[in-house]
Amino acid sequence: QKEVEQNSGPLSVPEGAIASLNCTYSDRGSQSFFWYRQYSGKSPELIMSIYSNGDKEDGRFTAQLNKASQYVSLLIRDSQPSDSATYLCAVSYGNKLVFGAGTILRVKS
Amino acid sequence: NAGVMQNPRHLVRRRGQEARLRCSPMKGHSHVYWYRQLPEEGLKFMVYLQKENIIDESGMPKERFSAEFPKEGPSILRIQQVVRGDSAAYFCASSPGRGANVLTFGAGSRLTVL
Repeated sequence: QKEVEQNSGPLSVPEGAIASLNCTYSDRGSQSFFWYRQYSGKSPELIMSIYSNGDKEDGRFTAQLNKASQYVSLLIRDSQPSDSATYLCAVSYGNKLVFGAGTILRVKS
Repeated sequence: NAGVMQNPRHLVRRRGQEARLRCSPMKGHSHVYWYRQLPEEGLKFMVYLQKENIIDESGMPKERFSAEFPKEGPSILRIQQVVRGDSAAYFCASSPGRGANVLTFGAGSRLTVL
């Protein structure tokens, strides 16, 4: 059973703070990792992808991957109320993406 | 440049009826994935199709559910004899190539079974 685990939250941070979202996965053979954002009642939208160990930055977002620890994280700097959403970690297993249950992020103004 | 198109956006069925959900992938994409999302839960993989082929249906319930992606027309997810537990959001996603890489999701079809 391929698994992706996330803390369901909610994670509450004040506006302007750094939000840190974490994800672990079970299969060492996975090669591709993604973070999706899903607003309530909407579809998931891709915000970051990462394929190799280390950090990848895109604007206010930084994805971090540690394959030895089977751990993926997403940092959101200068969090805004508009970042309030559910963040889904996704890991590729062969032909499909397996998603975690998601972490609810609430940014308080 | 239309994205992934799903219809209907909302569908209400009574127990025992059939539900058909349609998905047209992004232009240039030939691979379609269906996911189900129950209330307050994550996305669960159902099936992965290419034109005229089912590549991976390991997430499909063994009964009542079927999917197709014909040579012409949209992909269809069909649920026969619906039950209340089928009430969920069904998302379609597409990708340009084989294997799970960057998926683009449609807006979803929300099925309510009365």
